[in-house]
Amino acid sequence: KAGVTQTPRYLIKTRGQQVTLSCSPISGHRSVSWYQQTPGQGLQFLFEYFSETQRNKGNFPGRFSGRQFSNSRSEMNVSTLELGDSALYLCASSPEGASSGNTIYFGEGSWLTVV
Amino acid sequence: AQKVTQAQTEISVVEKEDVTLDCVYETRDTTYYLFWYKQPPSGELVFLIRRNSFDEQNEISGRYSWNFQKSTSSFNFTITASQVVDSAVYFCALSAMDTGRRALTFGSGTRLQVQP
Repeated sequence: KAGVTQTPRYLIKTRGQQVTLSCSPISGHRSVSWYQQTPGQGLQFLFEYFSETQRNKGNFPGRFSGRQFSNSRSEMNVSTLELGDSALYLCASSPEGASSGNTIYFGEGSWLTVV
Repeated sequence: AQKVTQAQTEISVVEKEDVTLDCVYETRDTTYYLFWYKQPPSGELVFLIRRNSFDEQNEISGRYSWNFQKSTSSFNFTITASQVVDSAVYFCALSAMDTGRRALTFGSGTRLQVQP
């Protein structure tokens, strides 16, 4: 069974640009969540999508957004990039999401560098 | 608010030594779940174990073992006879209700270095 797949793995963007990251969950998983990992703040929850609806949201500004498609694949978008957005962005999937106590499986992440 | 504390920032051991990674959690929720993940340099968080709040039975899986104690709000992880391949950052995480929503909260991680 294929794991969580994230693309691209590495990317470099310039301040002010926007970026879109993609995530394909494990087959059969309907919940997709996104996390940001930085050396200073650690792992922080961005948002969770379930059946194409945002179910939970962390404390991030509106520049961070996401969506989920009918096949459960998800994208997250960051607009007007700032240097502080440089981070590892991790996507995770589970059958029903954290609200059900499911195990959450992570992808390898997308390393974003903003210059 | 829920919180996970991993007080050990970095641990260095020599191969074949046993090592215990500490995790202390805080939550007001009565039904919660605890996890351990391993993060190698590649970045992927690898799931190791999941425990629910009703199951305090300790678990052993090969060289890995976990000690869950609700009385002290701890969920410690022990690697027996450590190997170089165990070198990674280990995260403890808690899934519990927080301000009306269930979220997964991570500790700050413990970097384990196993020297040959």
